[in-house]
Amino acid sequence: ETGVTQTPRHLVMGMTNKKSLKCEQHLGHNAMYWYKQSAKKPLELMFVYNFKEQTENNSVPSRFSPECPNSSHLFLHLHTLQPEDSALYLCASSQLTGGGVEQYFGPGTRLTVT
Amino acid sequence: EDQVTQSPEALRLQEGESSSLNCSYTVSGLRGLFWYRQDPGKGPEFLFTLYSAGEEKEKERLKATLTKKESFLHITAPKPEDSATYLCAVQAGGANNLFFGTGTRLTVIP
Repeated sequence: ETGVTQTPRHLVMGMTNKKSLKCEQHLGHNAMYWYKQSAKKPLELMFVYNFKEQTENNSVPSRFSPECPNSSHLFLHLHTLQPEDSALYLCASSQLTGGGVEQYFGPGTRLTVT
Repeated sequence: EDQVTQSPEALRLQEGESSSLNCSYTVSGLRGLFWYRQDPGKGPEFLFTLYSAGEEKEKERLKATLTKKESFLHITAPKPEDSATYLCAVQAGGANNLFFGTGTRLTVIP
């Protein structure tokens, strides 16, 4: 595996289900991110982890719960979601430096909440 | 408030017809401006990073330039395989996260 991988690629869940999204980066980076991408909207940052520590939570509802057990893996636990949570969920990673640094994205998980 | 605006929202070009996409930004303390390409159903693919006004970078038919207020992505003699959504993002201040525009959807017609 190379780059950033995400599983599953597609997920359909009911509003009462609990599911988890998984992300793994094979780039040796020390920061990982969750983004939400909805139609006609810019990518929205959800969570940031630097060296496994959560450094940012962009006012995300508590029905989304991130977990970062190590610098290579990132999870997004989902429970009691709403239909408006249907979107493409993207994971990214980067190597923290003092200057501007690009992020590398996974292929995303297309989530549909019914 | 940091802001990134991309134009046009959509662009249709004939194969070989060169054009430019615009990304204007208002941020405090720009640390980097990034261009990504995104194909339908896939994650964004990194293209370029620009750090300071006057900087230019090229890759095949793409050339990115940066001024103090905007960036352009020039596409020279595009081919159908260049069809995608092109995203611009900025990194500013002390944060490591990227702030994205809504993108330009490019269609190149054979």
